[in-house]
Amino acid sequence: DAGVIQSPRHEVTEMGQEVTLRCKPISGHNSLFWYRQTMMRGLELLIYFNNNVPIDDSGMPEDRFSAKMPNASFSTLKIQPSEPRDSAVYFCASRTTTGSSTDTQYFGPGTRLTVL
Amino acid sequence: AQSVTQLDSQVPVFEEAPVELRCNYSSSVSVYLFWYVQYPNQGLQLLLKYLSGSTLVKGINGFEAEFNKSQTSFHLRKPSVHISDTAEYFCAVKRRVDYKLSFGAGTTVTVRA
Repeated sequence: DAGVIQSPRHEVTEMGQEVTLRCKPISGHNSLFWYRQTMMRGLELLIYFNNNVPIDDSGMPEDRFSAKMPNASFSTLKIQPSEPRDSAVYFCASRTTTGSSTDTQYFGPGTRLTVL
Repeated sequence: AQSVTQLDSQVPVFEEAPVELRCNYSSSVSVYLFWYVQYPNQGLQLLLKYLSGSTLVKGINGFEAEFNKSQTSFHLRKPSVHISDTAEYFCAVKRRVDYKLSFGAGTTVTVRA
């Protein structure tokens, strides 16, 4: 299995621009998580999807952030407009809610976002 | 709500020496416990997890952890580290009936020759 795939791996953009981060979960997984990692706040859960439906978006910082999961194999996290304080590493993780490993989240390699 | 405290932010250690990373958690309900490792510029990789049963859990790369319910701890150990174990280590807790993982702040392990 290829694991969780994220793109791009690195993104540098200017303040005010729109940024779209992409994630392909592990095939067969039906839950997907977006996290943000910063030095100041550590790992924070932004949003959780189950069967393509957003279940918990309480971690989304503000209206500038939005996430979609149009199908079981693709999700996006969009920031519009971006600000320098959005600079962080964004991780996507997936898991299955059936079988014996429902507790384990598998992480992608992350997207390092720098907003100038 | 559950929370996790990693007691050491940085642990320097010499190659082939043992290492212990401390993790304490708080929760009013039963939880699952995890250790993840993050190598430089990579995502998080599961090292090991405690769900139930034996309190001594063995993971990948020679790591093991012991669940201590009375002390609400889940310390990670390796008897002999390698340079390649240089990484950041995260302890995480999840309520058994929940989906949300709560992570500690991380412990950076630097292995020196």
